[in-house]
Amino acid sequence: ELKVEQNPLFLSMQEGKNYTIYCNYSTTSDRLYWYRQDPGKSLESLFVLLSNGAVKQEGRLMASLDTKARLSTLHITAAVHDLSATYFCAVDSHGTASKLTFGTGTRLQVTL
Amino acid sequence: DVKVTQSSRYLVKRTGEKVFLECVQDMDHENMFWYRQDPGLGLRLIYFSYDVKMKEKGDIPEGYSVSREKKERFSLILESASTNQTSMYLCASSFTGGFGDTIYFGEGSWLTVV
Repeated sequence: ELKVEQNPLFLSMQEGKNYTIYCNYSTTSDRLYWYRQDPGKSLESLFVLLSNGAVKQEGRLMASLDTKARLSTLHITAAVHDLSATYFCAVDSHGTASKLTFGTGTRLQVTL
Repeated sequence: DVKVTQSSRYLVKRTGEKVFLECVQDMDHENMFWYRQDPGLGLRLIYFSYDVKMKEKGDIPEGYSVSREKKERFSLILESASTNQTSMYLCASSFTGGFGDTIYFGEGSWLTVV
């Protein structure tokens, strides 16, 4: 059974600071997704990582994938309040965007 | 843009009622999914479908059934709602094949069973 562990579960950080969210998974997979969810809203796709060593960046967020270590990271650079949200990683166990297993989510709170 | 529409955003139902949650997507996607989201548990897959009239159980199918009579529509059915089914339900769809597939989510349906 595929397990996806995400940590930390909750992160409070000051504006301007850097931090990393970790996503570990238990079986081989080449596809990993990161999503953002604002309170009461649906999931917004942030990154799709499709191969070992993949790195993608969008603004202050950068995601990477190490399939050998079964680890993905979401790095936040110089956080701003607008980044406050819950972030989920999800692993595609079928490899065809057909079935995702999600981590528990990391609730990020960026304080002034 | 892909659009996944869930017909009801907020519902309150009584224990024992039969509940239908409807989901429609407009991009001719083969795959459709129903997840439920609970605090501290993330999203858990209830059922998914690869094609019309096909369905497969996800991780937590007990107490639920689904119907996919048309490609664009995927319904989640709670045969006899119980209070432990109070949750947020998310529908999603995706296209199979190609490079850079992503899964698109609807806005969610908040169900309260009293």
